[in-house]
Amino acid sequence: NAGVTQTPKFRILKIGQSMTLQCTQDMNHNYMYWYRQDPGMGLKLIYYSVGAGITDKGEVPNGYNVSRSTTEDFPLRLELAAPSQTSVYFCASSWRGENTEAFFGQGTRLTVV
Amino acid sequence: RKEVEQDPGPFNVPEGATVAFNCTYSNSASQSFFWYRQDCRKEPKLLMSVYSSGNEDGRFTAQLNRASQYISLLIRDSKLSDSATYLCVVPSGNQGGKLIFGQGTELSVKP
Repeated sequence: NAGVTQTPKFRILKIGQSMTLQCTQDMNHNYMYWYRQDPGMGLKLIYYSVGAGITDKGEVPNGYNVSRSTTEDFPLRLELAAPSQTSVYFCASSWRGENTEAFFGQGTRLTVV
Repeated sequence: RKEVEQDPGPFNVPEGATVAFNCTYSNSASQSFFWYRQDCRKEPKLLMSVYSSGNEDGRFTAQLNRASQYISLLIRDSKLSDSATYLCVVPSGNQGGKLIFGQGTELSVKP
């Protein structure tokens, strides 16, 4: 049981490049989330999903896109990377939103230069 | 008002001290609340859940005040290993799926 797996762990992008951060979970959780954490700050919600085919914007969705075609996978797409997107990205999942624990992946450290 | 707001840190306390953190939230419809712990910018992990007036787990006590819309976390007899960042989390939004984190409160326990 791997839990929540994120790839890659580290990545350096040039300004204007695009990439997809992968996230998969093997716990059959309905809810999945993407967060970013800037140095010295808390986690900011980018997008979340309450089930396959359903996604919603979080606090900071601009510059990102997501899809949820399966229960297991919730990729995060960065189009036209900007230095402001330099951050640590965490994916998480939970059985439900309320009343249940969210489990996190180990994070992806992204630098845009 | 921010959706979730925590006491600014850092808190520097000696071993054995009692320390308390506060967290305020704006969504009066929220039903459940969480405290997570994060070590050295690793992934956050659940510390405690709070559903009614409060919850206690060993040296840790979480309390909820719905009227004033705040949650507190009390740590008694602090250990060096308690040094971490403590994050308050409040679900809201579509089916409670919008998990909003506070900015975190850093705790440093010194010998």
